[in-house]
Amino acid sequence: RKEVEQDPGPFNVPEGATVAFNCTYSNSASQSFFWYRQDCRKEPKLLMSVYSSGNEDGRFTAQLNRASQYISLLIRDSKLSDSATYLCVVNMNSSASKIIFGSGTRLSIRP
Amino acid sequence: SAVISQKPSRDICQRGTSLTIQCQVDSQVTMMFWYRQQPGQSLTLIATANQGSEATYESGFVIDKFPISRPNLTFSTLTVSNMSPEDSSIYLCSVEVRGADNEQFFGPGTRLTVL
Repeated sequence: RKEVEQDPGPFNVPEGATVAFNCTYSNSASQSFFWYRQDCRKEPKLLMSVYSSGNEDGRFTAQLNRASQYISLLIRDSKLSDSATYLCVVNMNSSASKIIFGSGTRLSIRP
Repeated sequence: SAVISQKPSRDICQRGTSLTIQCQVDSQVTMMFWYRQQPGQSLTLIATANQGSEATYESGFVIDKFPISRPNLTFSTLTVSNMSPEDSSIYLCSVEVRGADNEQFFGPGTRLTVL
């Protein structure tokens, strides 16, 4: 089983739609969780951290379920500019700073 | 956050040669990392660059193939040695910014093609 698993997609949705991604992780002792966004031929950029209490940043909402070991990202009112690959990232050990990347979920927003 | 630059941004190299990639950060950071992203794949950690000591390599990566230097808290180099076409990839450095979440920020990457 992979340490961090994501549905690779691609998700192809119309502009304005709501889209949700899930990610599961294998290590129950994992400490920190993130969503990164990677545009084509660019480096990954931090989108948001994920907390047990959930967090929201504009149209983006991230949730963490420690009991089921999954993380979700919800994008509301999607824009063309949201088209990218979304990477689920898990820090397995806060003291060792070792983060594991999921394989990424490709999202394509169509007009 | 941190501002990270990498040089070169891209290169095309011949089989059997070596390439050294530089990573410069605009502030002192404790943790620096080197990743590889092969075409169509996600990121794989190569090693943690430790200041003043040998790098810590992940399984499948060895010092002879990917020697790393970390002379100070703002700079690191990764060398890809004796290259083969399988080394064609994007190589990215990242730094960890200490805080509540210890997020990592990435350099723009070096796109390497080996002929």
